[in-house]
Amino acid sequence: DTAVSQTPKYLVTQMGNDKSIKCEQNLGHDTMYWYKQDSKKFLKIMFSYNNKELIINETVPNRFSPKSPDKAHLNLHINSLELGDSAVYFCASSRDRSTNYGYTFGSGTRLTVV
Amino acid sequence: TQLLEQSPQFLSIQEGENLTVYCNSSSVFSSLQWYRQEPGEGPVLLVTVVTGGEVKKLKRLTFQFGDARKDSSLHITAAQPGDTGLYLCAPQGGSNYKLTFGKGTLLTVNP
Repeated sequence: DTAVSQTPKYLVTQMGNDKSIKCEQNLGHDTMYWYKQDSKKFLKIMFSYNNKELIINETVPNRFSPKSPDKAHLNLHINSLELGDSAVYFCASSRDRSTNYGYTFGSGTRLTVV
Repeated sequence: TQLLEQSPQFLSIQEGENLTVYCNSSSVFSSLQWYRQEPGEGPVLLVTVVTGGEVKKLKRLTFQFGDARKDSSLHITAAQPGDTGLYLCAPQGGSNYKLTFGKGTLLTVNP
């Protein structure tokens, strides 16, 4: 039973389209995250939610909008996709908002914008 | 802003060899986590080191936290193809609400 699951695994879309990525965790964790990993494998945080409350919002274009309907789900909607949005997007969760216990990551969504 | 460096960036070795990868910073950390990311998967937590000078072992992997808590190393003995992956360090300090990762060491172990 997958702890942090993301869908879809692969997403190929044209510039200008709007797309969503979904994430669910069954670990009972309070906090969830979105990270972006670029072509050089650099992993950078985008957003974090703790019990449905946005607690981290890094410098991300406002075309990216996260939504957390409950603490087990965190979705990412991207408007007007650009070529530079191509990357692997990872969802992660942690027991609480501290980093002390580490993160559990999903297996990623590879987004390709053409 | 802390400067975090992982070295080497790339490492390709033969099965059975030993290797060490490093994570260095200009800042002092309260603790540090190591993750391994296998191809096509997300990072997986390997260990957390907390005390300066601490050494932790995980089978053939040995993790060390520097005495001054500004650096850490990961040593792998008798590497196997299953060790192939991206090794990421994530120090904790400053903001305790997000993990900031190094750029990683991409290790390839050839059979």
